[in-house]
Amino acid sequence: EDKVVQSPLSLVVHEGDTVTLNCSYEVTNFRSLLWYKQEKKAPTFLFMLTSSGIEKKSGRLSSILDKKELFSILNITATQTGDSAVYLCAVGSRTGANNLFFGTGTRLTVIP
Amino acid sequence: DVKVTQSSRYLVKRTGEKVFLECVQDMDHENMFWYRQDPGLGLRLIYFSYDVKMKEKGDIPEGYSVSREKKERFSLILESASTNQTSMYLCASKVGLNTEAFFGQGTRLTVV
Repeated sequence: EDKVVQSPLSLVVHEGDTVTLNCSYEVTNFRSLLWYKQEKKAPTFLFMLTSSGIEKKSGRLSSILDKKELFSILNITATQTGDSAVYLCAVGSRTGANNLFFGTGTRLTVIP
Repeated sequence: DVKVTQSSRYLVKRTGEKVFLECVQDMDHENMFWYRQDPGLGLRLIYFSYDVKMKEKGDIPEGYSVSREKKERFSLILESASTNQTSMYLCASKVGLNTEAFFGQGTRLTVV
C-alpha cells in the first residue's frame, strides 16, 4: 500500500530557530515529491523534487530528496511567525491517474 | 496565476440532503481532483477526472459522485449527506505529469 509519512506531527519553535521537517514514502513507481504550505485555506505549492541530491531553494526554505532512502526534508532557517502553518508532503506516482499521495502534515508553530 | 475557485467556503447541511460542491479552474487543466481533509488523516482522494465526462474513483468514493460536463468545472455530489461526511473538501487541478496541483480555498462542510 502506498504511504507517505511525515514527522514530527507538530513542532513549536521560537522565531529565529531553524527547523527540519521530514517526509518518508513508499509509493509504487515514484515520479515526484512535492511540498505544500497550508495556512487556514488552500495549500500553496512550495517545491517539486524529482532528482536525488539536488537542493531546491526559495528564500529561507530549502528541500532535498533522497530516492535511495525514500525521504525528503524541508528546511526553514531563521523562522518567522508567518511560517506557522501545516506543511504537507505529497508524492506523485506513475501508476493510475496523476494523483498525489499526501502525508498527514507537520503543524509548525513559530512563537515570537 | 492559476485560479481554482470553490463555490462556498462554509456549508451547513442536514442529514439526508443532496449537496453539491462546485469547483472551477481557469487554466484549461485536464486533471481535476476532489479531496477531503480530516485531522490525523491528511488529504484523501475521493474522485478525479482527467477529461470532460471522464471520472475515476479515488480512495474513498463511497457516498459521493462527481460530474464534469465542462473542462473547467468539476462538481462533487453527496447524494444523501451523512454526519460522517462533515469535513474540509478541497478541489485541485493540474495540467499533467510532473506538475504541481493547484488547490481551491476549501469548503468546510458540516452535516447536522
